[in-house]
Amino acid sequence: DAGVIQSPRHEVTEMGQEVTLRCKPISGHNSLFWYRQTMMRGLELLIYFNNNVPIDDSGMPEDRFSAKMPNASFSTLKIQPSEPRDSAVYFCASSLGWGGSEKLFFGSGTQLSVL
Amino acid sequence: DQQVKQNSPSLSVQEGRISILNCDYTNSMFDYFLWYKKYPAEGPTFLISISSIKDKNEDGRFTVFLNKSAKHLSLHIVPSQPGDSAVYFCAASGNGGSQGNLIFGKGTKLSVKP
Repeated sequence: DAGVIQSPRHEVTEMGQEVTLRCKPISGHNSLFWYRQTMMRGLELLIYFNNNVPIDDSGMPEDRFSAKMPNASFSTLKIQPSEPRDSAVYFCASSLGWGGSEKLFFGSGTQLSVL
Repeated sequence: DQQVKQNSPSLSVQEGRISILNCDYTNSMFDYFLWYKKYPAEGPTFLISISSIKDKNEDGRFTVFLNKSAKHLSLHIVPSQPGDSAVYFCAASGNGGSQGNLIFGKGTKLSVKP
C-alpha cells in the first residue's frame, strides 16, 4: 500500500494567495483527518471526515480555511486568502475505523510558507 | 489549556540505556492513550497504545505504563538504539472513543547517542 499521499510536499506563496493542499487516503479507510503542526501549538486537529462527511470542523481556525472530501479517495484543504501566520506543516491522516483506538496513518505533510 | 502535556521538549540518552518519555493529562474522561514517533520530513507513525483498563502494555523494546490516579503515562524504550532518535508524541482520546477527540502533546525529541 502506498500510504497516505499528500501534495505538494512544499508550498511557498505570497500573502493573499489561495493555497490548496491535497490528500489521498489509504484505500479502504473511511476516516480522514487534517492536522496542522506549529512550534507554538504542536499538532492541532483542524477537521475530520467520516465516510466523506465532515464531522467536526471546530478546529478550523478561520473562515479562510475550508476542506472538502468529494469522494473516498481525495480531500483538499484550501486557505484563501493565505496569511504569514498560516505557515506550518499540514498533515493529512486516515484511519480504518471511527473509534479512539484506531491507529492514524499520516502522510508526509505539506510544508507551507506564506511570505 | 493543554490537556496533554509533555513537559520535556528533549531527552538525550546513551545507546543501550533506557529512554523514559513522560506524558501528563488533565482530562479524566480520556480512556485511550497512544504514542506516535516522528522522523524529520515524515508524518508521525503509530508506535504503541494502551487502554485505560490496563496499566501496562509491552511491544518488543517499547513499554507504555499508565498511572490513572496520577493522570500520567510513560514510554520506556529498552535498550535504546540510535534509530530511535525521533520526536515522540503522546496522544489521548476519550468521550466514548471518538477519534475526533484525539489530543496530542507537543512532543519530546529523543536523541540516542552511539
